Amino acid sequence: QVHLQESGPGLVKPSQTLSLTCTVSGGSINSGDYYWSWIRQPPGKGLEWIGYIYYSGSTYYNPSLNSRVIISIDTSKNQFSLKLSSVTAADTAVYYCAKTIIARLVFDPWGQGTLVTVSS
Amino acid sequence: QSALTQPASVSGSPGQSITISCTGTSSDVGRYKYVSWYQQQPGKAPKVMIYDVSNRPSGVSYRFSGSKSGNTASLTISGLQADDEANYYCSSYTSSSTWVFGGGTKLTVL
Repeated sequence: QVHLQESGPGLVKPSQTLSLTCTVSGGSINSGDYYWSWIRQPPGKGLEWIGYIYYSGSTYYNPSLNSRVIISIDTSKNQFSLKLSSVTAADTAVYYCAKTIIARLVFDPWGQGTLVTVSS
Repeated sequence: QSALTQPASVSGSPGQSITISCTGTSSDVGRYKYVSWYQQQPGKAPKVMIYDVSNRPSGVSYRFSGSKSGNTASLTISGLQADDEANYYCSSYTSSSTWVFGGGTKLTVL
């Protein structure tokens, strides 16, 4: 049973870079059957897909965030990471990492999520 | 890419059935079988209830079913139970190779 856990600072200043890591346990991140995704949810609002990375390192991002997002992967640590630059208050959200099953294009499972607040 | 359209809220009594709609476009819901539904309990991460329009993952109750007609997908919950009360989100893969979610529907069990 794969388990995902997000980690990183809960508070980021405006204009700085948000950095989060997702640690995968119970299975290898080095698999061609999955993408590894980031999804966020502003407080009280809906879900927004941010992007994914494949074990090979190839990535695909939401065009609305494309210029500010970088997702990377470290297969030796079974981790993947998110960097979002030039953050504003609008980037305040719970950030989730999720395994994306390629054959079904479904997010399953999700990490528990981590709240990141952008504030000075 | 605009969000999929869901009703903000639905309600039903225990034992009844409810249906939540999810309307997209010919570039997402209408184009692909990759429509999924997620249940989110307060303070928890979303959990997949339906994938590929109508398939249930192992462990999800048979009371949850999905369907699609044209650009609109639907989630039906039969035999409503108190612990079905949650927010439900639909999601679809899109022709831009991205994913789009619905705005969410709050289900209240009366």
